[in-house]
Amino acid sequence: DSGVTQTPKHLITATGQRVTLRCSPRSGDLSVYWYQQSLDQGLQFLIQYYNGEERAKGNILERFSAQQFPDLHSELNLSSLELGDSALYFCASSVLFTGELFFGEGSRLTVL
Amino acid sequence: GIQVEQSPPDLILQEGANSTLRCNFSDSVNNLQWFHQNPWGQLINLFYIPSGTKQNGRLSATTVATERYSLLYISSSQTTDSGVYFCAVISNSGGSNYKLTFGKGTLLTVNP
Repeated sequence: DSGVTQTPKHLITATGQRVTLRCSPRSGDLSVYWYQQSLDQGLQFLIQYYNGEERAKGNILERFSAQQFPDLHSELNLSSLELGDSALYFCASSVLFTGELFFGEGSRLTVL
Repeated sequence: GIQVEQSPPDLILQEGANSTLRCNFSDSVNNLQWFHQNPWGQLINLFYIPSGTKQNGRLSATTVATERYSLLYISSSQTTDSGVYFCAVISNSGGSNYKLTFGKGTLLTVNP
């Protein structure tokens, strides 16, 4: 158990819908990262937050947004879903910017 | 951005055999991690090893930062070692972008 909690573990929805994925980082970790893993793209960095502020952005689509709340949990919002958004979405946390990252078990999203 | 190359892409072993997985990276790093993704999709931390050598049971890892490579050794492999092994790095020349960049992984299959 990494200490990073993600919900839901599985989600099936239809094209055009909107979903929210939630992440609780390890106790004491201020930095939260979101990654997407799809079969054809591998593990892709989406976005990073540190203590509530956005620190780095990767290949995140405009239809996707995220935030980190004062209690340090984070949410990733995916809207106008397309078939190609089906993937495993991981959250990770670390104490510092460059420290060891610990990953949650992931949220498997299936868009039908 | 930094490039991470892993070899071999696929590896098939008989139970009890030893193996070496390699990770080459294109820039200096201040974070290097090895992960095992099991068949259920979980990303499990194996080593945080930006430099030096570490051992944990049947697994050990060595990173030679000056030559920009890392090796993961698996000895006396077991069927439960099957899965994908990822190397991931954070470049220390990325400015404020501290994203962890993943290689494409090595798919290991250990047969009984």
